[in-house]
Formats: sequence, structure tokens, C-alpha cells
Amino acid sequence: ETGVTQSPTHLIKTRGQQVTLRCSSQSGHNTVSWYQQALGQGPQFIFQYYREEENGRGNFPPRFSGLQFPNYSSELNVNALELDDSALYLCASRFGGSGGYTFGSGTRLTVV
Amino acid sequence: AQKVTQAQTEISVVEKEDVTLDCVYETRDTTYYLFWYKQPPSGELVFLIRRNSFDEQNEISGRYSWNFQKSTSSFNFTITASQVVDSAVYFCARTGGSQGNLIFGKGTKLSVKP
Repeated sequence: ETGVTQSPTHLIKTRGQQVTLRCSSQSGHNTVSWYQQALGQGPQFIFQYYREEENGRGNFPPRFSGLQFPNYSSELNVNALELDDSALYLCASRFGGSGGYTFGSGTRLTVV
Repeated sequence: AQKVTQAQTEISVVEKEDVTLDCVYETRDTTYYLFWYKQPPSGELVFLIRRNSFDEQNEISGRYSWNFQKSTSSFNFTITASQVVDSAVYFCARTGGSQGNLIFGKGTKLSVKP
């Protein structure tokens, strides 16, 4: 097991820009989820991918989008960044529809 | 809203004290999972325990123990003989939604002082 790795660890972007965050899931984990954690809050579910298809979405606008690739890696894309998008973004993977989630250390995004 | 409530925002204890973190959840689901995660300053969520809604047997693992009471929708977590390394934010979560995504509480920040 190699765990879940996310890149970059920190990122500063300007309001209105676009950003792509990356995640390398644990080998064999075909389900990946992304969460947004604002300062002092619990993580909030953004969306989930299973076998490269989005199969669940939280209360986030369409400018939050994602991709999952056959090699268990995935991306979170955010367009038209807003100041409130500043947060820790966490990637989590698991095998199938059950089992525990393995989380990465996150990417801390700051929008100025 | 089917939410998870962690009423304790911050707890401070002295090393070797026992500490209990409270969690109350709401759900209309008959089957669900409950979780506790630990988040150290590094940011990674560290899995501690998962409990199926049908399994109310309480569990002890080393210094950790969990008390699941379905009748009161509570899933409390106790650390016995706390240590400085236990200092972190602890999150309670449950599965929700059709795809089993996690719904988290706001977390309890535990500070263990030497």
C-alpha cells in the first residue's frame, strides 16, 4: 500500500483564476472522493468518482469539476476562483462502495 | 438536515487524564456507518474506527474506546490516560447520500498538556 498522495501541498491563486489539484489514490482503490475543509470546520463532500464516472455530488457549483483516470489518479478543477474557495482540499479513496476511506494530507489553497 | 453534532469545540486536559469526545448524529437511514478520524496539524485525516449501525457492541482498542448507543444516536469516543501526542482535532462522521459519502461534524480540538 502506498497511501493517498496529493499535490501540491500549498497553493496561492488569484481570484478569477483556475486551479487543478491532483491526487494519487491507493492502489486498487477505484472510488475517489474530494472534500473541502474550511478553517475550523469539518470536511464537506464535493463529489465522488467510481470507475472514472462521477456518481455523487455535494452542494457545490459546477465550476468545481473533476476527473478520475485508470491509473487511480484523479483531479479536482476549480474555475473562476473566489475568496471563499480558500480551504484545505482533501482527497479520499476506497475500494468499491464499502470499506473505510483513506485520506491524503490535502492541498491548502489560498485565494487572494 | 441530517447532521453530525460535536458539541465540544475545544477540550484541554492534562496528560494522563481520561477524556471523552461526544458525537450525536441525525439520520433517516436504517443502515449507515459511523467513523472517528483524527486530524493532526499535518492535515491528514487518520482513520480510528468504523462502526456499522447494526453493531452496537462497544469496543476498546488500547487506550481508545467507543460507546455507540443507537437509541440516543450517539457515538462517543474516550481516550484513557491521555498523552501529548493525542493532541489533534477529532472528527466524528457518518455515511450519508446514495453513494456513501461522509458527513462530518465540526470537530473537537483536543489539547493535552504535559
